[in-house]
Amino acid sequence: GQNIDQPTEMTATEGAIVQINCTYQTSGFNGLFWYQQHAGEAPTFLSYNVLDGLEEKGRFSSFLSRSKGYSYLLLKELQMKDSASYLCVTPSSSNTGKLIFGQGTTLQVKP
Amino acid sequence: EAGVTQFPSHSVIEKGQTVTLRCDPISGHDNLYWYRRVMGKEIKFLLHFVKESKQDESGMPNNRFLAERTGGTYSTLKVQPAELEDSGVYFCASSHSPDGAYEQYFGPGTRLTVT
Repeated sequence: GQNIDQPTEMTATEGAIVQINCTYQTSGFNGLFWYQQHAGEAPTFLSYNVLDGLEEKGRFSSFLSRSKGYSYLLLKELQMKDSASYLCVTPSSSNTGKLIFGQGTTLQVKP
Repeated sequence: EAGVTQFPSHSVIEKGQTVTLRCDPISGHDNLYWYRRVMGKEIKFLLHFVKESKQDESGMPNNRFLAERTGGTYSTLKVQPAELEDSGVYFCASSHSPDGAYEQYFGPGTRLTVT
């Protein structure tokens, strides 16, 4: 089976750095996505990792360690608009595009 | 490029009634997915269309749910008769390729409340 774990809630201060961790167990591995979802809106794509290491994209970076079944999303220079739910997601091992979601981490950025 | 759209945005119905949700994917995307999030739980896969064909419907909860994609464009998801546990947010997503490496574009969701 496949299972994804991530913290339910996190709080951080505007301008700071926050790291959201995700661990996963999969029977096969087809990469790992991070999506951002603001309340009442559609989840939107942030990053995709399939190889080990850090992928940087502006203020957001995503890291993957396949041997450890571990990923994190790093958000720098936090802004109030970064308050949202961050979803750790992996494609199903069936390789049909079906996505397996974690519960999401609700990040609250405070002034 | 227009994104994935869903209609209605909200629906409140009574137990036993029927509701039909609609999803319009991004033009040209052959792959269309339905997902659902019930309160307090993670988003879960319901089914996957490739054009008008059902590729994977392993996530459909039971036979009260019927999804169609006639003509391979928009899709509908009908719940008949609705039960209380069907309440949640129903998301539609589309992608150009079924390959897991390609991102899926999500619609804003339909919030269904069954009373």
